[in-house]
Amino acid sequence: KQEVTQIPAALSVPEGENLVLNCSFTDSAIYNLQWFRQDPGKGLTSLLLIQSSQREQTSGRLNASLDKSSGRSTLYIAASQPGDSATYLCAVGGNQFYFGTGTSLTVIP
Amino acid sequence: GAVVSQHPSRVICKSGTSVKIECRSLDFQATTMFWYRQFPKQSLMLMATSNEGSKATYEQGVEKDKFLINHASLTLSTLTVTSAHPEDSSFYICSAPTTRGGSLYNEQFFGPGTRLTVL
Repeated sequence: KQEVTQIPAALSVPEGENLVLNCSFTDSAIYNLQWFRQDPGKGLTSLLLIQSSQREQTSGRLNASLDKSSGRSTLYIAASQPGDSATYLCAVGGNQFYFGTGTSLTVIP
Repeated sequence: GAVVSQHPSRVICKSGTSVKIECRSLDFQATTMFWYRQFPKQSLMLMATSNEGSKATYEQGVEKDKFLINHASLTLSTLTVTSAHPEDSSFYICSAPTTRGGSLYNEQFFGPGTRLTVL
């Protein structure tokens, strides 16, 4: 069964700093990988989707990379803002998704 | 992106009652939908896969007689928590995959979630 791990579990940074969130998975036979944001008590907002044939995707200040062979993905957030504070989840799979444990990000004004 | 709605957003019920949660894909058809459960400070755990026109597929450890799933149409799946108990209190989220937008493989869109509290 696919296992997805995210490191670190929690991260606190000052506003304006660039940061990297990590996601690793045990089974490299995936169709795609998706990064989500979850605010407290809320549902999930899709941030970026990377197909298995792609290496990275970018949206605004966010850049996600995928290395299938090593079972790793990173989410890079540039010039962090207090509004970026949330829990970030990665999920791998295809029709069925397996979620990581999440990284709780706090951006300090 | 595609829109998935859930109703209700929050429900409080007494122990022993049944609660129905609806998941709708608003602007696309979904032959498959997924139901997840999330306990406080934990990640999402897949409970079951809802298939339109056929029986749902449940993950190991999830009681199918307790969590009844009905995928009545291409835009609606319902999860009924039967004889709910306090330990069933959780955040329930549904998702639906779609290949809209030119995705080669399915992108998951999630509902806003339903907070269930069983007293």
